[in-house]
Amino acid sequence: GAVVSQHPSRVICKSGTSVKIECRSLDFQATTMFWYRQFPKQSLMLMATSNEGSKATYEQGVEKDKFLINHASLTLSTLTVTSAHPEDSSFYICSARVGMYEQYFGPGTRLTVT
Amino acid sequence: TQLLEQSPQFLSIQEGENLTVYCNSSSVFSSLQWYRQEPGEGPVLLVTVVTGGEVKKLKRLTFQFGDARKDSSLHITAAQPGDTGLYLCAGALTGNQFYFGTGTSLTVIP
Repeated sequence: GAVVSQHPSRVICKSGTSVKIECRSLDFQATTMFWYRQFPKQSLMLMATSNEGSKATYEQGVEKDKFLINHASLTLSTLTVTSAHPEDSSFYICSARVGMYEQYFGPGTRLTVT
Repeated sequence: TQLLEQSPQFLSIQEGENLTVYCNSSSVFSSLQWYRQEPGEGPVLLVTVVTGGEVKKLKRLTFQFGDARKDSSLHITAAQPGDTGLYLCAGALTGNQFYFGTGTSLTVIP
């Protein structure tokens, strides 16, 4: 199957700083990528849809100015958590759309804000 | 409110038992996927169903898509400890997005 990578896998930052998470499709081009957030023992919540060359589409309740998404190329999308606070601590997962019906996931990034 | 509700939320069974996980919605999906997720990792795709009434088998796992494309089920026969994990269904609406179900945490006890 298609391979998606994420970097970093874990990050600890101080409150008020910004953190960038990268999502790459390694062996294919992805015009559409998705960003999800997952709390412990819970399901994935879609945050935004990232389309190459255009603005991301955010789900209701997700702050655009806090979670900046850039999809500058067909293999890279980035999520920047700006002015992070402890409540932003979570597991962030990206995925890339393949064909009409499927998506493949990255391994996730564990963000801890102290 | 989640678009897709899964039941049960938690399931703990003995090795060798059978189980069924349900994924229900009032929305119609163009496709539906099932994933398994291990702690600290991303979900891994198990199957995609597209046609209403479709049944797919993957070794001991049987997946069914409802006739109206609003619900799905996952049946595991003779569960093994290696089946332990978080099972997630995800539906694709007619647009671009995929929405995940509430999740079912399965524990198979040796």
